[in-house]
Amino acid sequence: QVQLQESGPGLVKPSETLSLTCTVSGGSISGYSWNWIRQPPGKGLEWIGYIYYSGSTNYKPSLTSRVTMSVDTSKSQFSLRLSSVTAADTAVYYCARKTGKPYYFDYWGQGTLVTVSS
Amino acid sequence: DIQMTQSPSSLSASVGDRVTITCRASQSISTYLNWYQQKLGKAPKVLLYAASTLQSGVPSRFSASGSGTDFTLTISSLQPEDFATYYCQQSSNTPLTFGQGTRLEIE
Repeated sequence: QVQLQESGPGLVKPSETLSLTCTVSGGSISGYSWNWIRQPPGKGLEWIGYIYYSGSTNYKPSLTSRVTMSVDTSKSQFSLRLSSVTAADTAVYYCARKTGKPYYFDYWGQGTLVTVSS
Repeated sequence: DIQMTQSPSSLSASVGDRVTITCRASQSISTYLNWYQQKLGKAPKVLLYAASTLQSGVPSRFSASGSGTDFTLTISSLQPEDFATYYCQQSSNTPLTFGQGTRLEIE
């Protein structure tokens, strides 16, 4: 059974960089795209972007200037960095695996709340 | 970006009721449409993908249909564990986008 687990600081100061890691267990990181999705408190889901196991990326255009994703296949981990954060970036951040065609999120992490506050 | 609009935004129903949630895309997405269920404090869980294919392990009371721009999710006979928020999501184009959600509450 594939499992994903997010880790990282739960509190980030405004203007600083949010950094999260997702560890994949129970399956290979190869052959899939690995996604970050966030959900502000009480609101809906927002896709941030994905990284393939090969390292190629695709980010939401409105976040491209602030987002960097990376993958470490040797550790079965992928990471998110979001720079210059503001209170609007406060959210539960999920990592999720996206299948090949027809492309859906079949496995999700439990989510981690990141609060942006001084 | 492809906008996904769900209706209704919230819905009250009783155990045993048949309910339908609709999702409309701002442009044609063929059948690249997925449905997720999210319970409070939990990650979303996929129910159906490719517009109408039931994910393994999901009860058959869940069904979905549609193509192009108009899609529906139907729960044939509501069970207590079905009270949750439901999201549609398009995977036709990036950026991948979700509907705003439909909150299904107990009447």
